[in-house]
Amino acid sequence: DQQVKQNSPSLSVQEGRISILNCDYTNSMFDYFLWYKKYPAEGPTFLISISSIKDKNEDGRFTVFLNKSAKHLSLHIVPSQPGDSAVYFCAASPTSGTYKYIFGTGTRLKVLA
Amino acid sequence: DTGVSQDPRHKITKRGQNVTFRCDPISEHNRLYWYRQTLGQGPEFLTYFQNEAQLEKSRLLSDRFSAERPKGSFSTLEIQRTEQGDSAMYLCASSSPEGRVHNEQFFGPGTRLTVL
Repeated sequence: DQQVKQNSPSLSVQEGRISILNCDYTNSMFDYFLWYKKYPAEGPTFLISISSIKDKNEDGRFTVFLNKSAKHLSLHIVPSQPGDSAVYFCAASPTSGTYKYIFGTGTRLKVLA
Repeated sequence: DTGVSQDPRHKITKRGQNVTFRCDPISEHNRLYWYRQTLGQGPEFLTYFQNEAQLEKSRLLSDRFSAERPKGSFSTLEIQRTEQGDSAMYLCASSSPEGRVHNEQFFGPGTRLTVL
């Protein structure tokens, strides 16, 4: 049972354009969401997070949008840079009682120069 | 560098052998997590410690797996009688409460295990 889904395994975007990565979840008990970036041979690196009480969080070029009614979140990267090329994982954490993250399967982003 | 460190980075072993991995969290973090990642998948939660107490274990953590965190500092993950299906990247992460309900987990570089 895949509770966090990233349906696009890969995405290619031209440098300077917007990258939009999508994530869907099924468990309504999730109340905290994160995006991680992963380069080959490295561990995931935290990028940005959002609490379920918000619908948007912005940090520089990165913005995460949360649509609770649709159980959907997205990561926008504007403008995209070649160094953004990596695998992006969406993760979710349930309401208190556990601190584990449930990860999606990842989307490989390639930013073309 | 004060990030999460893991040792070894790579381990190749023969089926049936025991292996042990070590994780050193960020020094002020009292929560420590182990995840496993296989090809094409996201990290999957294995277990979680708060200080020295192991508070949660996944069904993925069979009886061949054991994790410890003596004195609430570094942690070890041991796999006994390894099987080829244990081949994966084993990731360690740590976080600090800082008075908040949720806090970002910071990951180490992982230990890649190959069971022949």
